[in-house]
Amino acid sequence: QVRLVESGGGVVQPGKSLRLSCATSGFNFNSYAMYWVRQAPGKGLEWLAVISLEGTLKYYAESLKGRLAISRDNSNNTLFLHIDRLTSEDMATYYCAKDREEWRMPASYKFDFWGKGTLVAVSS
Amino acid sequence: IQMTQSPSSLSASVGDSVTISCQASQVIKKNLNWFQQRPGKAPKLLIYDASKLETEVPSRFSGSGSGTHFTLSISSLQAEDIATYYCQQYESLPTFGQGTRLDIK
Repeated sequence: QVRLVESGGGVVQPGKSLRLSCATSGFNFNSYAMYWVRQAPGKGLEWLAVISLEGTLKYYAESLKGRLAISRDNSNNTLFLHIDRLTSEDMATYYCAKDREEWRMPASYKFDFWGKGTLVAVSS
Repeated sequence: IQMTQSPSSLSASVGDSVTISCQASQVIKKNLNWFQQRPGKAPKLLIYDASKLETEVPSRFSGSGSGTHFTLSISSLQAEDIATYYCQQYESLPTFGQGTRLDIK
């Protein structure tokens, strides 16, 4: 079955960078666009980034553009998100999600499977 | 594109019918998803393309609308439907509504 497992969260100092990973299994990773979405404690969902199935197209939420870098390793079925210059406003659970539609370019923006998320806390 | 949901919260009894609204700040055609997020869990896709039921989602869930106004309906509410519901547009880069929290009376 489809499985998405995020890792890399934890306590990070303000101003530092972080790389999150999303290990996937149960589907043909290299034929689906992938996403990152986050949720601050007690708040709503915020879409962050999308990467096309081959990794050639990447789009970011305007509010975080310049601080995010999404990437993927299709040989190891893994998705990544690099976040620069973390602040307290970046404290959240970060989810990776899979596109619903295979071979859709750049993406369908329908998130059909999600991981359980990884929690990022920003504190000195 | 801003998405505004109403109400922000509601309470209903088991067996009731419930409707949640989602308004887009500009026309999004039918480019809308609905998600359910149970407490402490990841979101789950319920409806895509405004009215298409995702695989294995119970038929008591339905979506309607196009343009700027959309609704998610739940008929015969069950206790397991306690959750926060989000709409999300994909006419442009995705944005979510603020969520509607549904409790059981």
